[in-house]
Amino acid sequence: NAGVTQTPKFQVLKTGQSMTLQCAQDMNHNSMYWYRQDPGMGLRLIYYSASEGTTDKGEVPNGYNVSRLNKREFSLRLESAAPSQTSVYFCASSEDPYQPQHFGDGTRLSIL
Amino acid sequence: EDKVVQSPLSLVVHEGDTVTLNCSYEVTNFRSLLWYKQEKKAPTFLFMLTSSGIEKKSGRLSSILDKKELSSILNITATQTGDSAIYLCAVTYNQGGKLIFGQGTELSVKP
Repeated sequence: NAGVTQTPKFQVLKTGQSMTLQCAQDMNHNSMYWYRQDPGMGLRLIYYSASEGTTDKGEVPNGYNVSRLNKREFSLRLESAAPSQTSVYFCASSEDPYQPQHFGDGTRLSIL
Repeated sequence: EDKVVQSPLSLVVHEGDTVTLNCSYEVTNFRSLLWYKQEKKAPTFLFMLTSSGIEKKSGRLSSILDKKELSSILNITATQTGDSAIYLCAVTYNQGGKLIFGQGTELSVKP
C-alpha cells in the first residue's frame, strides 16, 4: 500500500546544479501535483497535471519544469538550482481535480 | 489576489482542553474547503466541506463551513498529545481543481 512515493528523500545540491525529483502513485489517480513548503508559508503549488497529457502552472512555477511521464509518474526538474529553492517538496495525487489529495512524504532539498 | 488565512499561527494547550482553529478565505469561484493534519511528514486529509456538506464530524474532530462569513473552524475536543501537529486549511476552485493553502496552525498539546 505505497500510495505516493517520492525519491529521493533528501538531497544537497550546489548552486547551478540540475536535479529531477521523482514521484509515482499507485492509486490510479488522474491528477498529480507538486508543492513546496517553506516555514510559515504553508504549501504553495508549483505545477499540477489535472489529467495525463496536461500540465499547468501553479502559484510559484519559476525555475521549475515538470513532466507527466504517464498516468503514474510526475517529475519535477530544477534546471539550475538556486539557494531560494531550498525547501521541502511534496508530490500529491487525487482521483480528479476536485477530490482530496494524497501526499507523499516529501523531499528535503538544500541548495548551497 | 486569492488568499487563505489561518489563525492562530501557533497554539499550546494541555491534554483535555478543547481548541478551535480558524480559517478564512477570499477566493473567486469557491468550490470546497479542506482540512489536513501534518505531523512529521505528509499532510493527511481530515475533512472536505462544500455547499452541500457544511458540517463534518469524526470522533473528537469536527468542522463547519460558513459560506456567508467565508470561513471555517476546526474543533478538537478532549485534546491528546497525539493531536500535536500542523493543521492546514486549503480551498479549491470550481475550475481546474487547484488548491490554495493557508499558512497552517501549529498545535502543541502538553501532557
